[in-house]
Amino acid sequence: EPEVTQTPSHQVTQMGQEVILRCVPISNHLYFYWYRQILGQKVEFLVSFYNNEISEKSEIFDDQFSVERPDGSNFTLKIRSTKLEDSAMYFCASTYGANQETQYFGPGTRLLVL
Amino acid sequence: GENVEQHPSTLSVQEGDSAVIKCTYSDSASNYFPWYKQELGKRPQLIIDIRSNVGEKKDQRIAVTLNKTAKHFSLHITETQPEDSAVYFCAASGFQKLVFGTGTRLLVSP
Repeated sequence: EPEVTQTPSHQVTQMGQEVILRCVPISNHLYFYWYRQILGQKVEFLVSFYNNEISEKSEIFDDQFSVERPDGSNFTLKIRSTKLEDSAMYFCASTYGANQETQYFGPGTRLLVL
Repeated sequence: GENVEQHPSTLSVQEGDSAVIKCTYSDSASNYFPWYKQELGKRPQLIIDIRSNVGEKKDQRIAVTLNKTAKHFSLHITETQPEDSAVYFCAASGFQKLVFGTGTRLLVSP
């Protein structure tokens, strides 16, 4: 069964550094998402992406964040200048359609900002 | 925007008992309600979902009910087993994004 994959599984970075988190969505899926989960808290929506454009973003997704689909398979989340509060697990998800579709989550990237 | 509340935050049951987790949502436009199980350090795994044209759905020991008028939906697990121990999240969606509840930590004691 196809799965969403993410790399790296863990990332440690210094405050102020840029990080890029990578995701490979399921191959025929068209809608891509990033969520984050601070330790012990709920999963929070960051951004959705379709047809090479952001379709929706949350208040968390400020100017420090960007997303890109650089080729036909990868979907990336960049944090330009990391803050301590960016430490969290970041999950990528994908769906074929936009409405009432099961979202399949990747295994996550645990980001620790020191 | 959508807001999802989930209760209880923790639930301890004996093996073989039933467990019920309840969620309420605020946006009447929401039409898709999945439930995810998350084990420590792992990804959320979909266990069951329900769409707004259905009032109840069952899959073996797991069932979900939806009351659109009252804007609430519930997860029912029967004959609980120790391997059911995890954090369970409900979510609601109107279009694309999922809005998650705060999670219920279920502990099933042998």
